Amino acid sequence: EAGVAQSPRYKIIEKRQSVAFWCNPISGHATLYWYQQILGQGPKLLIQFQNNGVVDDSQLPKDRFSAERLKGVDSTLKIQPAKLEDSAVYLCASSLTGDQPQHFGDGTRLSIL
Amino acid sequence: QKEVEQDPGPLSVPEGAIVSLNCTYSNSAFQYFMWYRQYSRKGPELLMYTYSSGNKEDGRFTAQVDKSSKYISLFIRDSQPSDSATYLCAIRAGSARQLTFGSGTQLTVLP
Repeated sequence: EAGVAQSPRYKIIEKRQSVAFWCNPISGHATLYWYQQILGQGPKLLIQFQNNGVVDDSQLPKDRFSAERLKGVDSTLKIQPAKLEDSAVYLCASSLTGDQPQHFGDGTRLSIL
Repeated sequence: QKEVEQDPGPLSVPEGAIVSLNCTYSNSAFQYFMWYRQYSRKGPELLMYTYSSGNKEDGRFTAQVDKSSKYISLFIRDSQPSDSATYLCAIRAGSARQLTFGSGTQLTVLP
């Protein structure tokens, strides 16, 4: 079974620029999550999708972050404009349903200069 | 007070030692308990998943949950250098889907 795929692996941008991350979940997984993991901390949920609908985006900074999951498969997470405090690893995870264990990709490491 | 507290370490042990990793939590509504292992520059990998008090064993790993004390543990027997990683506890309430993670404990097993 192929795992969760994410790209790019690394991204370096200057503050106020925009950036986008892509995620392809495990085939058949209806639930998709985006997490932010700051160095030395555990992952923090940003947004959860069930198919192509948003289940929970309560911790997504909506003034600068946006996410979509078209056709209930792939997803993109965008930051515009980026701030220094957005430097983190952005992890995508998927699960069969919202109650099943989550499987993570290797993340995108974002550095803001 | 954080919902989930985890000693960040770092923890360094010799090969073959028994390792004990611990988390405490404050919300009695939490019902599902997980341990993830995260290697450097990799995503978290699910190790153990349990929803009841008591012990669950899988090979060299044992997860222990004490709901009355709001305390969970992961024991690693006969630790190996390949076990060197950050271990994250993650907890979820039964009626919600959001995972709450601890901050992780960095473990190094010395050969």
